Amino acid sequence: KNEVEQSPQNLTAQEGEFITINCSYSVGISALHWLQQHPGGGIVSLFMLSSGKKKHGRLIATINIQEKHSSLHITASHPRDSAVYICAVSGSRLTFGEGTQLTVNP
Amino acid sequence: DVKVTQSSRYLVKRTGEKVFLECVQDMDHENMFWYRQDPGLGLRLIYFSYDVKMKEKGDIPEGYSVSREKKERFSLILESASTNQTSMYLCASSPLAGGRQTQYFGPGTRLLVL
Repeated sequence: KNEVEQSPQNLTAQEGEFITINCSYSVGISALHWLQQHPGGGIVSLFMLSSGKKKHGRLIATINIQEKHSSLHITASHPRDSAVYICAVSGSRLTFGEGTQLTVNP
Repeated sequence: DVKVTQSSRYLVKRTGEKVFLECVQDMDHENMFWYRQDPGLGLRLIYFSYDVKMKEKGDIPEGYSVSREKKERFSLILESASTNQTSMYLCASSPLAGGRQTQYFGPGTRLLVL
């Protein structure tokens, strides 16, 4: 079993839908990261959080330390949100989930 | 803005060739990382460096070496490329060690070893 599990692996949505991507982890962490990777490869950091909730525009990330679970929500999804979303947890180094491929159709 | 650049976006090499992948960051970050990314496996850490001339093995260092002669530059070396090293290689940098700070990624190099 991987230390970081994401679900779903693939997600297709219609423009405007509310999207949730989940991340569960099995190790103690100091922080959890959500990353976005567009076609072509570049990765950008969306959030780093260690408790509670963070919001940036239409993106919301939550974490429940007791449950060892985090969610990334996208409100009013748009085709430009199509990307791979990666969860990573930090202990002594980052450990990554396999990613969730999101496709938002117009 | 932090900028991390990698020397090539795409690279095709033959088995047995020595391959150099270069990474440069412009934010005076102490820490630099090399990852490879493969379908179904996610990103895996090959090597990292927390200072000039310092290096630490990651999870999959076999078949790779690294060099950090200057703070801004971190090179990944495949001494004798093999087909199982065909992958996407991503460099990253951060001001703090481990995962306690945001890592800034380069655009990646897609390496094909024939």
